[in-house]
Amino acid sequence: DAGVIQSPRHEVTEMGQEVTLRCKPISGHDYLFWYRQTMMRGLELLIYFNNNVPIDDSGMPEDRFSAKMPNASFSTLKIQPSEPRDSAVYFCASRSGTGNEKLFFGSGTQLSVL
Amino acid sequence: DAKTTQPPSMDCAEGRAANLPCNHSTISGNEYVYWYRQIHSQGPQYIIHGLKNNETNEMASLIITEDRKSSTLILPHATLRDTAVYYCIVRVSNTGNQFYFGTGTSLTVIP
Repeated sequence: DAGVIQSPRHEVTEMGQEVTLRCKPISGHDYLFWYRQTMMRGLELLIYFNNNVPIDDSGMPEDRFSAKMPNASFSTLKIQPSEPRDSAVYFCASRSGTGNEKLFFGSGTQLSVL
Repeated sequence: DAKTTQPPSMDCAEGRAANLPCNHSTISGNEYVYWYRQIHSQGPQYIIHGLKNNETNEMASLIITEDRKSSTLILPHATLRDTAVYYCIVRVSNTGNQFYFGTGTSLTVIP
């Protein structure tokens, strides 16, 4: 398996633009997580899905952020409109729902909002 | 999930054992201890986890005290590639709950 795949690797955009981050979890994993990492706040959980259903979105900072998982192999995190304070590295992670508790992370998307 | 306390930074000489401590004095009986690490510019990587017994795998050893209030991650022969931030997390297994990453310990392996 290629692991958790995120795209794009880097994104530079201007304030007010829509940003869409993409994630392909490891095949067969039941859980998908979106994290955000900044120097000030460390690694924060934004939202997670179980079997494509959002379970806990309490970490989503505000209504400008939305996440979807239309099927077991794809998820998006959208920011509309983007703001400079959204600049961060966004990680997607997945894990199996039974037995194995390991979280597998993607390489992240470095987002810069100018 | 129980909170953890880790030193913010540590140094270790290359080839020596790196011993990273973690305090989790409020851990519950059904909470596991997990260790992850994050190498610069990469996503966190699972290392090891345990409940009460000491554990060893190809990456590291985990020593958990008898009262389970603290643990130590041991990298037996540290290399430069082990320079990373190491996170100690405690959580109940198989609850579906998320992993909360604290600030971790920044380990620098010195040549």
